[in-house]
Amino acid sequence: DAEITQSPRHKITETGRQVTLACHQTWNHNNMFWYRQDLGHGLRLIHYSYGVQDTNKGEVSDGYSVSRSNTEDLPLTLESAASSQTSVYFCASSEGSQDTDTQYFGPGTRLTVL
Amino acid sequence: GQNIDQPTEMTATEGAIVQINCTYQTSGFNGLFWYQQHAGEAPTFLSYNVLDGLEEKGRFSSFLSRSKGYSYLLLKELQMKDSASYLCAVLDSNYQLIWGAGTKLIIKP
Repeated sequence: DAEITQSPRHKITETGRQVTLACHQTWNHNNMFWYRQDLGHGLRLIHYSYGVQDTNKGEVSDGYSVSRSNTEDLPLTLESAASSQTSVYFCASSEGSQDTDTQYFGPGTRLTVL
Repeated sequence: GQNIDQPTEMTATEGAIVQINCTYQTSGFNGLFWYQQHAGEAPTFLSYNVLDGLEEKGRFSSFLSRSKGYSYLLLKELQMKDSASYLCAVLDSNYQLIWGAGTKLIIKP
């Protein structure tokens, strides 16, 4: 079955370290998204991509970067982790065949920055 | 600015009906989504409304009034497994999803 996976599921790191969170989907979806979810806030968009070599900044992109070298993967990199980046991170994908298509989410990565 | 408002928490009884409201003020509107999220899990898609009216899907229904900037999710015959957070999200004029903070629904026996 097609799916979307994230790794690692849990990560503890130290302030200042570079961290990369992986997202892999096997639906052959064009669109991929990274969100963070914090208590009391809705999901907030970090970066998104509408296809290979395409990346765009979202609402809370500072301190994060992404690259899209193939259809299946959109890794999220924290250049220099900060305690404010402690959060649950969700990757999502959508077909991209129409503007209003549904996003499907991966299981999430819980990141703690000490 | 853009804003999605939902109650923070609601409590209901097993077997009953509950209505979760969502009001929005966004720059443009291209549809409204409801997602369910169990604790520690990913959001999963429940419904999508772009036209006014009621969409029914089994025990769950979703209503939209674009003129009022208002939607609700109606859950019937509540089951314990319906205990979860329910997220409202609006697709704005740039086709970006704007998310509410979610409503935590607690079901009591």
